[in-house]
Amino acid sequence: EDQVTQSPEALRLQEGESSSLNCSYTVSGLRGLFWYRQDPGKGPEFLFTLYSAGEEKEKERLKATLTKKESFLHITAPKPEDSATYLCAVQPLISNFGNEKLTFGTGTRLTIIP
Amino acid sequence: KAGVTQTPRYLIKTRGQQVTLSCSPISGHRSVSWYQQTPGQGLQFLFEYFSETQRNKGNFPGRFSGRQFSNSRSEMNVSTLELGDSALYLCASSRGDTYYEQYFGPGTRLTVT
Repeated sequence: EDQVTQSPEALRLQEGESSSLNCSYTVSGLRGLFWYRQDPGKGPEFLFTLYSAGEEKEKERLKATLTKKESFLHITAPKPEDSATYLCAVQPLISNFGNEKLTFGTGTRLTIIP
Repeated sequence: KAGVTQTPRYLIKTRGQQVTLSCSPISGHRSVSWYQQTPGQGLQFLFEYFSETQRNKGNFPGRFSGRQFSNSRSEMNVSTLELGDSALYLCASSRGDTYYEQYFGPGTRLTVT
């Protein structure tokens, strides 16, 4: 069974203090790993998709990286508006078509203190 | 391009009743997936529809069902509501082809009393 574990559960940073969030996964073949941001009471907002080990993607102060066992979401010089829960999800490689199921981790709740 | 929309946004039901939630995907997206989100279990996959056919199903009881219409809009139904069904129900749409980026709607907050 696919499993996703995110750490830490919660993280408080001072504004400008860089850090990383971890997502470790177990899946029988990885089609894609996804990062989402979720604000309270809202649906998850898509951030990145990573498909293969060694891949990196960046968006503003966020950078996502992928290895064969885990993914990191690096946040550089964060601002208070980066406060949210960050979710990681994996999609298994079962077939080339027809498997939309995502298995999510429980998220990291990030708080940036001004 | 308009995002995923879900109606209603909030719902209060009594135990034993049934409920129907609606989801309109992004224009051009043919796949709609449904998830349940609770504080204890996080986001859990319910089922996915593509071209009016259920393509994937999670581990939920048969009280949870869904359907998709020819315009890709989808509905989810929960019969015989239980207190434990209180959750945020999210739908996500995607193109449904090789690239699986899913885009979520704002969710429907269901409270069962």
